[in-house]
Amino acid sequence: NAGVMQNPRHLVRRRGQEARLRCSPMKGHSHVYWYRQLPEEGLKFMVYLQKENIIDESGMPKERFSAEFPKEGPSILRIQQVVRGDSAAYFCASSPTIGQGVDEQYFGPGTRLTVT
Amino acid sequence: AQSVSQHNHHVILSEAASLELGCNYSYGGTVNLFWYVQYPGQHLQLLLKYFSGDPLVKGIKGFEAEFIKSKFSFNLRKPSVQWSDTAEYFCAVSGSSNTGKLIFGQGTTLQVKP
Repeated sequence: NAGVMQNPRHLVRRRGQEARLRCSPMKGHSHVYWYRQLPEEGLKFMVYLQKENIIDESGMPKERFSAEFPKEGPSILRIQQVVRGDSAAYFCASSPTIGQGVDEQYFGPGTRLTVT
Repeated sequence: AQSVSQHNHHVILSEAASLELGCNYSYGGTVNLFWYVQYPGQHLQLLLKYFSGDPLVKGIKGFEAEFIKSKFSFNLRKPSVQWSDTAEYFCAVSGSSNTGKLIFGQGTTLQVKP
């Protein structure tokens, strides 16, 4: 059973370009979480999605950032008009369900975004 | 505000030394607690978790953690570290009644000298 997959692993973008980060959850998992890790900081929650639904986007910046998890295909985190402050590691995690006793999240290797 | 604080940012130990990494949280309501580890070049892996029951939790690779509700703490321990334990360790909390999102501490880098 393959783990959570993220691509690309490294992404370089110039200021003003768009960045698209992809996450394929583990087989059988229908819950996806995105986290961002800025240099010298811990991971910060961004958004939680189920298939075709955004459940909690309380950690997403209000502008330029969007996320989706379509019925078919990977979850996408999209950053429009990137700025240097967007440089970070972006981690995706998936879980089979939520609720007491089954909250374990499995993490992908991350995408390291560098904005030049 | 919900937060997790890890007291030590960088810890250096010799092999066979005992380890204790501090973790305190601020969160209203019932919590689930986790320790994740990230070995060099690898993704985050779950070391152990606490949902309910016995506050002393045993995880993989000889690690354990104790939930002390009165102190809002969930410290990670290992009696004798190995060089292979060199990694970054993250404490995290989620609320039992929320969406499952994790709130992470800043992380502690552990360096074990052979």
